[in-house]
Amino acid sequence: DQQVKQNSPSLSVQEGRISILNCDYTNSMFDYFLWYKKYPAEGPTFLISISSIKDKNEDGRFTVFLNKSAKHLSLHIVPSQPGDSAVYFCAADTGNQFYFGTGTSLTVIP
Amino acid sequence: ETGVTQTPRHLVMGMTNKKSLKCEQHLGHNAMYWYKQSAKKPLELMFVYNFKEQTENNSVPSRFSPECPNSSHLFLHLHTLQPEDSALYLCASSRLRGNNSPLHFGNGTRLTVT
Repeated sequence: DQQVKQNSPSLSVQEGRISILNCDYTNSMFDYFLWYKKYPAEGPTFLISISSIKDKNEDGRFTVFLNKSAKHLSLHIVPSQPGDSAVYFCAADTGNQFYFGTGTSLTVIP
Repeated sequence: ETGVTQTPRHLVMGMTNKKSLKCEQHLGHNAMYWYKQSAKKPLELMFVYNFKEQTENNSVPSRFSPECPNSSHLFLHLHTLQPEDSALYLCASSRLRGNNSPLHFGNGTRLTVT
């Protein structure tokens, strides 16, 4: 049973607009959430994280929102740039193990 | 050199071969991991080492054998693999578990079993 789900396999956004990537989880024991970015032929690169005691964390163009009651996590990228085109994975941590989603492929159109 | 380095980047092996994957981290981390990524599936944890001690083995078949000689190096020894073992194998490292510390991944080894 998949505990972290990314229901949108792909997303296309115009350059300069906002990209919103979504992630849902089922385990209420998760206390740390992360987003990773992956280019082809490379490993996932850590992007941004959030602790379960917060509901928002911002780093430059990237903001992660956590809605614990809905068990929902989202990543906002503003403004989107062509170099943001990649696969984005969300992950959640119980402190013992990380659980990953299947990824959303983002294409930013120039 | 910084980060997490994996070698080889690509590996093709027959089902009777024995080969090893190597991982080295230069981040001063204490925990190292092997993950498997198959098409359309989430990353799947295989093994975890904290301070060189194996703390997790997620029901991985014995044809995969990990080795962690020190906190900076991790190996995955492969023997008598099956074609369904073809996948991307990712090594990762982190600070000690339980500290809200992200994983840092290498670029992976793309394994094809023929």
